[in-house]
Amino acid sequence: EVQLVESGGGLVQPGRSLKLSCVASGFTFNNYWMTWIRQAPGKGLEWVASITNTGGSTYYPDSVKGRFTISRDNAKSTLYLQMNSLRSEDTATYYCTRPWYFDYWGQGVMVTVSS
Amino acid sequence: DIQMTQSPSSMSVSLGDTVTITCRASQDVGIYVNWFQQKPGKSPRRMIYRATNLADGVPSRFSGSRSGSDYSLTISSLESEDVADYHCLQYDEYPPTFGGGTKLELK
Repeated sequence: EVQLVESGGGLVQPGRSLKLSCVASGFTFNNYWMTWIRQAPGKGLEWVASITNTGGSTYYPDSVKGRFTISRDNAKSTLYLQMNSLRSEDTATYYCTRPWYFDYWGQGVMVTVSS
Repeated sequence: DIQMTQSPSSMSVSLGDTVTITCRASQDVGIYVNWFQQKPGKSPRRMIYRATNLADGVPSRFSGSRSGSDYSLTISSLESEDVADYHCLQYDEYPPTFGGGTKLELK
């Protein structure tokens, strides 16, 4: 059974950092690109970052480029999202999923950026 | 970026209705459109992939179709468990982009 389990969310002040994790199981992690999607409260879904299966390439929208870093540890079947210089508009539930398929999603982890 | 214009943004429905939600792509995205169902406090659930394919475990009352740049999700004989938010997604080209969502509410 495929499972994606996110962790690391919480309340953080503007300008501070937070690192999210997503532990994968039930599939061969190093065969798949991975991505982070977020959803602000009461809003739609927004792509945040993607990484190739080897970790050799990463992709970001302009809204997070230079502040967020996606990475992975294939030995641990774990995806990460390092979020720096957080802003109030980064407040959202963050999900990990497999792009090109978007078939399995984690349960989501809430990040609240507020003073 | 490719825009996915989803309509309607909300819809008042009755049990047994046939419901159709549409996304219009701003440029050609081929078959690379998924539809998701999302219930409050839950993760999105893939319902349709590659525009017309029913995802595993999804009831057959759900269907997806394409007409040019318009992609539609149809729910036949709406059941109470279908009342939720629905989102379309194009993943033909980076960045992947979502429609604005459709909220189904019972009359």
